[in-house]
Amino acid sequence: EVQLLESGGGLVQPGGSLRLSCAASGFTFSSSGMTWVRQAPRKGLEWVSAISGTGASAYYADSVKGRFTISRDNSKSTVILQMNSLRAEDTAIYFCAKPYGSGWSPFDFWGQGTLVTVSS
Amino acid sequence: DIQMTQSPSSVSASVGDRVTITCRASQGISSYLAWYQQKPGKAPKLLIHGASSLHSGLPSRFSGSGSGTDFTLTISSLQPEDFASYYCQQANSFPLTFGGGTKVEFK
Repeated sequence: EVQLLESGGGLVQPGGSLRLSCAASGFTFSSSGMTWVRQAPRKGLEWVSAISGTGASAYYADSVKGRFTISRDNSKSTVILQMNSLRAEDTAIYFCAKPYGSGWSPFDFWGQGTLVTVSS
Repeated sequence: DIQMTQSPSSVSASVGDRVTITCRASQGISSYLAWYQQKPGKAPKLLIHGASSLHSGLPSRFSGSGSGTDFTLTISSLQPEDFASYYCQQANSFPLTFGGGTKVEFK
């Protein structure tokens, strides 16, 4: 059974940093690209970042480029989102998601999400 | 970037109604279009991929159609468990983008 479990969310001040983790199980992790998607309170879904199975390729939304870094540790089946220079508009639930099949998307498995609140 | 425009933003319907949601891409995306259902407090759930392929195990009252720039999600006979928000997502190119969502509410 595929499982994705996010952690690391919390309250942080503007300009601060936070490191989110997503622990995966139930599939061949190193063969799968992984993605982070976020959802601000009472808003829609926003794609944030994606990383290839090997970690060699990474992509970012313009809204987070230069501030967020995605990485992965295939030995631990974990994908990381390092978030720096956080802003109020980064407040959201952050989901990690696994793509269906061999492509980058769509996403057939999602974690339960972890809440990030950026506020003073 | 490819913009995804969904309409309507909300729809009021009754059990048994046929509901249609549309999604328009700002440029052609072939059939690289997915639909998701999301209930409050839950992660999204994949319904349709490749514009018209029903994800495994899902009821046939959900169907998708379209290609290029115009796409449709249809629920043929709305059931109580279908009251939720629905999102389209283009899978053609980075940055991946979602539509703004459609909330299906009880009339």
